[in-house]
Amino acid sequence: NAGVTQTPKFQVLKTGQSMTLQCAQDMNHEYMSWYRQDPGMGLRLIHYSVGAGITDQGEVPNGYNVSRSTTEDFPLRLLSAAPSQTSVYFCASGGPGYNEQFFGPGTRLTVL
Amino acid sequence: GENVEQHPSTLSVQEGDSAVIKCTYSDSASNYFPWYKQELGKGPQLIIDIRSNVGEKKDQRIAVTLNKTAKHFSLHITETQPEDSAVYFCAASNQAGTALIFGKGTTLSVSS
Repeated sequence: NAGVTQTPKFQVLKTGQSMTLQCAQDMNHEYMSWYRQDPGMGLRLIHYSVGAGITDQGEVPNGYNVSRSTTEDFPLRLLSAAPSQTSVYFCASGGPGYNEQFFGPGTRLTVL
Repeated sequence: GENVEQHPSTLSVQEGDSAVIKCTYSDSASNYFPWYKQELGKGPQLIIDIRSNVGEKKDQRIAVTLNKTAKHFSLHITETQPEDSAVYFCAASNQAGTALIFGKGTTLSVSS
């Protein structure tokens, strides 16, 4: 099993550009989520999905879109990148309430 | 909404000493409390978790205690080793069980 995979590992964008961060899991988990990690802020939930076709907002959803067309994939879209979105983004599957969440290796995004 | 406070933000110990990290949570409905370890450049990884019907759980050198009345839980690492150096995050489930709320993290440094 590959677990949770994320692409790309690094990305530099200019303000106003759009892009999609990819996330895939091969553990057949219903629950998937996206977090951002900023220095001194811990992990903050952006969006989550409890199954294909179902998504909901987390703590910091503004500026991000998600969709869940399959159990395996959960892409995160930045519609118009802003410097405030410079961060490390982690995708996770499994959990959240009573079971282990498995995190991907992260995507380091810089918005200039 | 749920809030999780984590202390200390940094902790330095000598190899062989014990380390304790403490967290408090605000939502009395939370019933799942995991701890994650994040090594440099990697995603967080679950090291131990505890559910609200249990007061203490131990796994080799790692233990977690939970006081539901006081709404706090702690991570205890005994006989610390240099490879324990990492960032540790506590988390608590939200009331709906649909998300984890993370503390801001503790950077543990173990010197030999």
